[in-house]
Amino acid sequence: DAGVTQSPTHLIKTRGQQVTLRCSPKSGHDTVSWYQQALGQGPQFIFQYYEEEERQRGNFPDRFSGHQFPNYSSELNVNALLLGDSALYLCASRIGWQGEQYFGPGTRLTVT
Amino acid sequence: QQQVKQSPQSLIVQKGGIPIINCAYENTAFDYFPWYQQFPGKGPALLIAIRPDVSEKKEGRFTISFNKSAKQFSLHIMDSQPGDSATYFCAASGRGRDDKIIFGKGTRLHILP
Repeated sequence: DAGVTQSPTHLIKTRGQQVTLRCSPKSGHDTVSWYQQALGQGPQFIFQYYEEEERQRGNFPDRFSGHQFPNYSSELNVNALLLGDSALYLCASRIGWQGEQYFGPGTRLTVT
Repeated sequence: QQQVKQSPQSLIVQKGGIPIINCAYENTAFDYFPWYQQFPGKGPALLIAIRPDVSEKKEGRFTISFNKSAKQFSLHIMDSQPGDSATYFCAASGRGRDDKIIFGKGTRLHILP
């Protein structure tokens, strides 16, 4: 049983560009959350998707957007990249509204 | 506003020692307090978690102590091993529609062989 998978593993982008990160939840999981982890910091909640809708959102600008597909996989899009967007982006999945969240290995985004 | 404060930032302990990591929270609506372990290049993995109606929980060598009135909780690692060297995060979340996880800043633990 595969856990949460994310792609790509690493990504380098230039300021002002746009990026799309992808997440496949653990089998049977239907809720996906995205977190940003800056170097040396704890993960910060970006948003959560359930039934293809954004259910909760953290304190992130509208440049951060997402999508959940019918198969529960999800994408995180970031527009107009800033140097400060460089971080490890983590995806976590769970079943419904409760239960343990399982994290993927993350995508390391570097903005130059 | 940092809702979950974690200390120390880093910790070095001899093998067999008992590292202790402390956390404090502010929001009384939190009702789930997990601890995560993260190795380099990996995502956080749930280690152990507690709800506020319990003062202590043990799972193997890991123990959470919880003080609801003080709004503090701590992680103890018994008989620590070099393989326990990792970054540990305390966290908190609420119920229902506000169940996002709020993480502390992390403690980098190194167990000397």
